[in-house]
Amino acid sequence: KNEVEQSPQNLTAQEGEFITINCSYSVGISALHWLQQHPGGGIVSLFMLSSGKKKHGRLIATINIQEKHSSLHITASHPRDSAVYICAVMDSNYQLIWGAGTKLIIKP
Amino acid sequence: DARVTQTPRHKVTEMGQEVTMRCQPILGHNTVFWYRQTMMQGLELLAYFRNRAPLDDSGMPKDRFSAEMPDATLATLKIQPSEPRDSAVYFCASGLVRIGTGAGANVLTFGAGSRLTVL
Repeated sequence: KNEVEQSPQNLTAQEGEFITINCSYSVGISALHWLQQHPGGGIVSLFMLSSGKKKHGRLIATINIQEKHSSLHITASHPRDSAVYICAVMDSNYQLIWGAGTKLIIKP
Repeated sequence: DARVTQTPRHKVTEMGQEVTMRCQPILGHNTVFWYRQTMMQGLELLAYFRNRAPLDDSGMPKDRFSAEMPDATLATLKIQPSEPRDSAVYFCASGLVRIGTGAGANVLTFGAGSRLTVL
C-alpha cells in the first residue's frame, strides 16, 4: 500500500464545474504539499499545509490531521486548470513522499 | 544509506555579502529541488531541475538569487547580495520522480538544510 494515495487518478470535467481531488496518507507528517505540473512544464507549489484550510484565488486546500486526509478544490474550473495535481507529504525525516498525481482535464 | 549532502550547515553573514549553498544529490536521481523554509512563509519552492535542466524557478527572486547545476553531482544556490529577509533554512532535495504515470508514491529525499542568518 502506498503511503500517499490520491484519487481520482484521472478526472475529466466541463468548464465551470467544481473539482475535488483527494489525498490520504498513512505516515506522520510535518506538512502536506499540493503541487501542480502543466504538460512540459515545471512543478509549481500551490499550497503547503499543516492544519486547517488555505485559499488562493479559485483554489482551496483543506487538511484533517486526525483523519490523515487532505482535499484540493477548484471552483469555476477553466481549461487552463488542466494539469497534473500532486499531493506530497513531508515526514519527520524531511522526506517528501509524493502521491502518483491526478491528471485533470477541463473541457471547454 | 544514500543521502543528500548540503553545505554549509550553518552560515552567518552580513547584509550585502554573497552566499553560496551547495548540494550533492543522490547519485542516479533525476530531480533536484531547492526549498526555503521560514516561520512566516513555511516551505517555499525556489527552483527545480530535471536532468540538470532548470524547469521552474518562478519562486525565486531573480534579481539576487541564482540556481545552477554544473554537473550531476552538484547543485548550487547563490544569493548576491544577501539581505536579512533571506534568513531561512534552505533545503535541497533530490529524487527519481515519475509524475502522472500511476507508478505509485515517489520519494524525494531532502538534505538536512543550510541555516542562513543574514545580519
